[in-house]
Amino acid sequence: AQSVTQLDSQVPVFEEAPVELRCNYSSSVSVYLFWYVQYPNQGLQLLLKYLSGSTLVKGINGFEAEFNKSQTSFHLRKPSVHISDTAEYFCAVNNQGGKLIFGQGTELSVKP
Amino acid sequence: NAGVMQNPRHLVRRRGQEARLRCSPMKGHSHVYWYRQLPEEGLKFMVYLQKENIIDESGMPKERFSAEFPKEGPSILRIQQVVRGDSAAYFCASSPRAGAHLSYEQYFGPGTRLTVT
Repeated sequence: AQSVTQLDSQVPVFEEAPVELRCNYSSSVSVYLFWYVQYPNQGLQLLLKYLSGSTLVKGINGFEAEFNKSQTSFHLRKPSVHISDTAEYFCAVNNQGGKLIFGQGTELSVKP
Repeated sequence: NAGVMQNPRHLVRRRGQEARLRCSPMKGHSHVYWYRQLPEEGLKFMVYLQKENIIDESGMPKERFSAEFPKEGPSILRIQQVVRGDSAAYFCASSPRAGAHLSYEQYFGPGTRLTVT
């Protein structure tokens, strides 16, 4: 069975500092990987995705993530965060069967 | 191109009533997924539908919950005889037709927040 683990439930960081949100997955088959962001009382917006090809993927709002097959990780990074990045971030996998399996989410809190 | 639409955005029901949640996928999308987000939890898959077919309902509670995606009109998630534990945010997502590489990307609606009193 597939699972996704987001290692940090909350990440506080100061504005303009770098941030890394960690995600590990387990799967016995090839997967597609996604990061979504959820602002308060809103739906999910796709930040970036890994389907194939280059293991470093760039997304919207200056975020990027690196797929590491040997470590089964897909960590999300941003070199300099803004107050507006405060939100909840979800890592998800799709094993080509249709449904997304989500991690528990990481609450990113950017402080001035 | 309008995104995924869900209505109502907020729904209040008393225990024992029925809740109907509607989802209109993005134009050209024929796959619909429903997810539930309970307080302080992540999103959990409920059901995956194509037009007139349920493809995967492995995440649906065995009783009181049903879903459909008719040939015409929106997808409906129906909860009968609601209980307080059904209070949650219900999100719908859609994706393009199967077989396309991009079909694994799902686009989410704004959600329906159900409160059972």
